[in-house]
Order: sequence, then structure tokens, then C-alpha cells
Amino acid sequence: EAQVTQNPRYLITVTGKKLTVTCSQNMNHEYMSWYRQDPGLGLRQIYYSMNVEVTDKGDVPEGYKVSRKEKRNFPLILESPSPNQTSLYFCASSREGNYGYTFGSGTRLTVV
Amino acid sequence: KNEVEQSPQNLTAQEGEFITINCSYSVGISALHWLQQHPGGGIVSLFMLSSGKKKHGRLIATINIQEKHSSLHITASHPRDSAVYICAVGWNDMRFGAGTRLTVKP
Repeated sequence: EAQVTQNPRYLITVTGKKLTVTCSQNMNHEYMSWYRQDPGLGLRQIYYSMNVEVTDKGDVPEGYKVSRKEKRNFPLILESPSPNQTSLYFCASSREGNYGYTFGSGTRLTVV
Repeated sequence: KNEVEQSPQNLTAQEGEFITINCSYSVGISALHWLQQHPGGGIVSLFMLSSGKKKHGRLIATINIQEKHSSLHITASHPRDSAVYICAVGWNDMRFGAGTRLTVKP
């Protein structure tokens, strides 16, 4: 089944403890992207990648890192999480050209 | 002013009604997306448009590039259509509307 898989689905962590949210797609898509969704602010883009080793900042990149060493994986790294990074995170992927995105199921992160 | 404005914010309809959700944007775009988010939180891409009109089942999406406006129509609405519908513009650097919460009552 074609899908974008995010892990974990839920995570509670403490301030300052490094964490990684994984994202993997099995569709050989070139484009991958991370978003966060907050009440009242909606969805905002964190980082995106156009292909292996090509990444760029979205609207809210502060406090996040990404890497794209393989086409299928696009992990989101929080080096020192803070409570304002408590949010619902989505990964998405798409193929090059005029195609829509496929979204992962989301990761609900709470930083205490 | 947000780059992507949706209206209405909330919409309640009776089953069977024809529904229209509007999206206006202020930036030049390469693509416009309509997304659906159910109460469980998952997001599904319904349409991606760069011109004209697309139809999938009971859903129709249109875009007017000159007027910077898009509409999502749902014909013969059903309670299972209850969800938040989100308009987004762009490709790599997507900008999102705030969403329209649709409730369809039986």
C-alpha cells in the first residue's frame, strides 16, 4: 500500500531531551515536507526537501533540523525541544510534477 | 491579512444539500490544493489545481486564476463529509488557509 509512515504517533518528552520523528514513504517521491498544526494558527511548513541532500526552510524552521540522506526518509530532529514545540506534526510527500501530496497520519508531540 | 483566506469558517448543512467553500489568495501560485481533515486528525489531499475544474465523485473544485479564487463544491452532502476542509497554495512552500469546519446533519 502506498503510504507515508510517521513514527511515533504520540510522544511526551521533557524540555531539552533530543528527539527524532521519523517519516518514510514507499512511493519513490522526490518531494517531502514537514508541517506543524496548532489551534488558531493552522498548518505551517517547517522544512521541505526536493530530493536527496536538497532541503530548504519553510515558514517556521527555528528549533528544527532535517536531513534527506535517502529518498524514502525525511526525519525531523528537535535538538533541544521546548514547550512551544508542543504540536501536531505531519509529514507529506509528492512526486515531481503537478501531483497532490500524500500525508502521514500525524505525530502528536507534547513537550513538558 | 493572510495570504490564503477561506470562507465560511464554519458551515452546518442538512444531508443532501449542495455545499460551497471558498478560497481567496493574494499571492501568485503554481498550484492550489484542497485538503480534507477528519476529526481523527488525518489529512487527505482531495484536489490539486492549476487551472480550470476537477471533479471526483461528488466533489468539484474550480479555480479562477485571474480572480485568485477557488471553490470546493460538494453535491448531495452526507454526514460522512463532516470534516475540516483546508485550502493551500503553492508547491514546495505551501501556504494554508485556516480551514472550514463542515458539519452535515442527517
